[in-house]
Amino acid sequence: QAVVTQEPSLTVSPGGTVTLTCGSSTGAVTSGHYPYWFQQKPGQAPRTLIYDTSNKHSWTPARFSGSLLGGKAALTLSGAQPEDEAEYYCLLSYSGAPWVFGGGTKLTVL
Amino acid sequence: EVQLVESGGGLVQPGGSLRLSCAASGFTFSSYSMNWVRQAPGKGLEWVSYISSSSSTIYYADSVKGRFTISRDNAKNSLYLQMNSLRDEDTAVYYCARDGWRYWGQGTLVTVSS
Repeated sequence: QAVVTQEPSLTVSPGGTVTLTCGSSTGAVTSGHYPYWFQQKPGQAPRTLIYDTSNKHSWTPARFSGSLLGGKAALTLSGAQPEDEAEYYCLLSYSGAPWVFGGGTKLTVL
Repeated sequence: EVQLVESGGGLVQPGGSLRLSCAASGFTFSSYSMNWVRQAPGKGLEWVSYISSSSSTIYYADSVKGRFTISRDNAKNSLYLQMNSLRDEDTAVYYCARDGWRYWGQGTLVTVSS
């Protein structure tokens, strides 16, 4: 099965901007991988922020956005808030073994 | 309101078996594919298995293939995961999630230990 890679950890200042990325061992990430982004806080189930590369749910704060960047899926947080401190996971779709999660990025707002 | 409630977790010895259930409500269960995802203590998310709405298509992660069996009963609005030949590394919180990933259960903890 493919391996999906994310930065293990990132730090952003309050009000700052940070981009998390999601790469694939099989090559460039495309819209055909239907990239998802999830936020998970300790003791909670994951919550979907972004689906199909860049679409947001009604509960997704406007400061989060998804895109494709340099052959990877990207999650950009503009104007970080303390409550954004969490673990972030991407998820990619592959034929045959439909879903593979990335290892997660621990985001610190400091 | 969409709800997914997992049950069936617990402590089991290595080599043992366990059957997880996921009770769905608030949506037309028979119209949606479903997934199981797990998370070992302090680790990341791992997709485990997928089943289509009619059970005609099933996938497993390599790590559980041949040991776990996913199934569903659309009449009972329920999803299942039969876990056999359990190993220490299967210890995790197991989540069910509706395809599209919009809705998740709160998870049930499976501990494999002697």
